[in-house]
Amino acid sequence: EADIYQTPRYLVIGTGKKITLECSQTMGHDKMYWYQQDPGMELHLIHYSYGVNSTEKGDLSSESTVSRIRTEHFPLTLESARPSHTSQYLCASSEGWPEPKGAFFGQGTRLTVV
Amino acid sequence: KNQVEQSPQSLIILEGKNCTLQCNYTVSPFSNLRWYKQDTGRGPVSLTIMTFSENTKSNGRYTATLDADTKQSSLHITASQLSDSASYICVVSDRGSTLGRLYFGRGTQLTVWP
Repeated sequence: EADIYQTPRYLVIGTGKKITLECSQTMGHDKMYWYQQDPGMELHLIHYSYGVNSTEKGDLSSESTVSRIRTEHFPLTLESARPSHTSQYLCASSEGWPEPKGAFFGQGTRLTVV
Repeated sequence: KNQVEQSPQSLIILEGKNCTLQCNYTVSPFSNLRWYKQDTGRGPVSLTIMTFSENTKSNGRYTATLDADTKQSSLHITASQLSDSASYICVVSDRGSTLGRLYFGRGTQLTVWP
């Protein structure tokens, strides 16, 4: 049904390293989102985008940053990874204006910072 | 405050039995409601989407209902299978003037036993 891809699926990285989580969608959706989810817990919005060159912070404070230079691409960057960043990161996109018809999710990136 | 509440938090049933999951929301103005299934370590996958004018929608063994007056939705699973074990998340979209936000419930963790 959905064509939204996240890479990598799993990442183990040392403290202090810079990382970029990739998210791409081929559906031409204007809205894209990044969520953070700890095991067994709810999703928390950390970033979202209306469209190209538009990004906003979400409900949960995050040290990550995002960019939206192309409609299909919404990467998330951590300049200096810490163990507290260990979590699952889910990217999503949605269509519809002004009424988003829900969202399509990627498979997620499970990040472990050691 | 826009919120989505799900119940029960967790549920264990035997294979072949039916179950019903509940979702109450206070999101306003309401746009649509989606039920997602999320397997452990994976991204959520949409099961159904319902707009204001829809009362019932089915997808195989999943049947969702919506009462927009009482702001309640349910997801009924018939003849449960072991593969139904997952977290079921209710997501409500608002019809805001800008982005149109997604509001997530905490999910119901369903376990199906043989």
